[in-house]
Amino acid sequence: QITLKESGPALVKPTQTLTLTCTFSGFSLRTSYVGVGWIRQPPGRALEWLAVIYWDDDERYSPSLRSRLTVTKDTSKNLVVLTMTNMDPVDTATYYCAHLYYDFWSDEDYFDYWGQGTLVTVSS
Amino acid sequence: SYELTQPPSVSVSPGQTARITCSGGALPKNFAYWYQQKSGQAPVLVIYADTKRPSGIPERFSGSSSGTTATLTISGAQVEDEADYYCYSTDRSGIHRRVFGGGTKLTVL
Repeated sequence: QITLKESGPALVKPTQTLTLTCTFSGFSLRTSYVGVGWIRQPPGRALEWLAVIYWDDDERYSPSLRSRLTVTKDTSKNLVVLTMTNMDPVDTATYYCAHLYYDFWSDEDYFDYWGQGTLVTVSS
Repeated sequence: SYELTQPPSVSVSPGQTARITCSGGALPKNFAYWYQQKSGQAPVLVIYADTKRPSGIPERFSGSSSGTTATLTISGAQVEDEADYYCYSTDRSGIHRRVFGGGTKLTVL
């Protein structure tokens, strides 16, 4: 059974750096084609993809946020960390991590299991 | 930029068929995926690769795609299907972007 859980500060100040941790179980980032992604959702608004990291350390980022994001993994501890620099009130959102499943038939991957999300508020 | 466009809202009566569309220029080359998000909950995958239904998702949920438009159909919508629905796709050309649509609020009443 795949589970993921996000953790981190509920409140950050403008200009600070946000660090979120995704702790997961039921799969390993040592397994080929597996990945973990980050998605956020401002209150009352749509989902926005942020970043993914793959088993082979390949990283992909949203073009609009590329300069502010870094994603890393600790395979031995089954966790992925997202850092976002220079936080602003518009970054207030629920941040989700999700398991990325690769479908050999379609040659595409997609998010099939999600964490419960963690609300981050940016305010002074 | 790569975008997916959805209608903001769709409303049906219980038992009717609900159709939610998703338009995007890259859809002819990439599959569409659909997520259901009920209030206060994380998204749940209901359709993958345009037409496939994950285990545990009721048969009333189906997907189709033609040209630049993908469609999620809920045949015989139930009150418990009331939720926000998001389409999702990837653009694997160039920088490999992933995009969600703006979401559609489905009301069943």
